[in-house]
Amino acid sequence: EVQVVESGGGLVQPGGSLRLSCAASGFTFSDYAMAWVRQAPGKGLERVSAISGSAAHTYYADSVKGRFTISRDNSKNTFYLQMNSLRAEDTAVYFCAKGRAPYCSGGRCYSLDYWGQGTLVTVSS
Amino acid sequence: DIVMTQSPDSLAVSLGERATINCKSSQSVLYSSNNINYLAWYQQKPGQPPKLLISWASTRESGVPDRFSGSGSGTDFTLTISSLQAEDVAVYFCQQYYSSITFGQGTRLEIK
Repeated sequence: EVQVVESGGGLVQPGGSLRLSCAASGFTFSDYAMAWVRQAPGKGLERVSAISGSAAHTYYADSVKGRFTISRDNSKNTFYLQMNSLRAEDTAVYFCAKGRAPYCSGGRCYSLDYWGQGTLVTVSS
Repeated sequence: DIVMTQSPDSLAVSLGERATINCKSSQSVLYSSNNINYLAWYQQKPGQPPKLLISWASTRESGVPDRFSGSGSGTDFTLTISSLQAEDVAVYFCQQYYSSITFGQGTRLEIK
């Protein structure tokens, strides 16, 4: 059974840092891209970052570029989102999700077939 | 970025009736090399993560009831629930994966 489980959310002051983790099981982890998708309270979905199966390729939304870093450890079936210089507008539930393909190719990406339950990140003083 | 626009923003349908949700992309998501539309639909129930219902515009995921169907091509797509059940109350999102990944704003489906 495929499972992805996030951890690491919490309350942080503006300008602070948090590291999210997502542990995966039930599939060959290195064969698939993984993504972080966030949802602000009462709002829609935004893919903030993604990483290819081999970790060779990464993606960042403009809203987080230069502040967030995605990484993965295929030996531990886990990937991460290091979030620095956090702002109030980063407040959201952060979901980790498994991509249907190992990477985007020529711009063609993938649907997201398994999602974690989400972890809440609150940026407030 | 490709902008995805769903309509309506919210919808109330009686139990057993048909529900139709539309999704329009700002540019075509049909890949001419393989004639496949890079479009997915998700269902998100309150307090839960999104669940993939349909990929490639019309391919239902395993375990998804056959009352859910997807149609359309190019820039205009539709998710149809043929006979609404109480458990279908949710927010539905479309997503394009033709050029990076972007989501529609969501459509809230309620019981009338």
